[in-house]
Amino acid sequence: GAVVSQHPSRVICKSGTSVKIECRSLDFQATTMFWYRQFPKQSLMLMATSNEGSKATYEQGVEKDKFLINHASLTLSTLTVTSAHPEDSSFYICSARDPRGSTDTQYFGPGTRLTVL
Amino acid sequence: EDKVVQSPLSLVVHEGDTVTLNCSYEVTNFRSLLWYKQEKKAPTFLFMLTSSGIEKKSGRLSSILDKKELFSILNITATQTGDSAVYLCAVGLTGTASKLTFGTGTRLQVTL
Repeated sequence: GAVVSQHPSRVICKSGTSVKIECRSLDFQATTMFWYRQFPKQSLMLMATSNEGSKATYEQGVEKDKFLINHASLTLSTLTVTSAHPEDSSFYICSARDPRGSTDTQYFGPGTRLTVL
Repeated sequence: EDKVVQSPLSLVVHEGDTVTLNCSYEVTNFRSLLWYKQEKKAPTFLFMLTSSGIEKKSGRLSSILDKKELFSILNITATQTGDSAVYLCAVGLTGTASKLTFGTGTRLQVTL
């Protein structure tokens, strides 16, 4: 099956610093990847859709200058949380759509737990 | 506004019981409904449903969609402790480049 990896799995940083999270599709090329945020005991909230070779599409209420997304290759998308603050602490999960499969089936990475002190 | 609602929010059962999880939706331009299982980390894909009345089955899990009444159920028979997880329902919409709208999830705990 389609495999998506995410790195790092956990990061702790100081307030004001920037953190980069990588999402990779390991056995397929993903033209579209998605970034989600999940608070404890809550569901997945879509932040943005990352398209290879073009600008990301952000959901309403998500600051594009704060959450920078780059999808420079067919197997890698990165999310950079700039000038992180404690309220950015959350579980960030990426997913990728396998173009060999159905339109809507997304495969998820293992997530990154971000803690901002 | 598109909405996906799951019930119950949480459930505790004994090993061997059968459970039914519910997902209802109010969306424009429905294309598909997906079920995922989330344990500690990444959600893992279970089923995708696009047509009414056709049951999808995988081992002890099965799911069916009713597009007239706008809901789906996920059944788990002979539950095991390894079934303990959050089960997420998501809806895919036409014209949205594969974007999924997730429900709040049902937290299932299976005890011995």
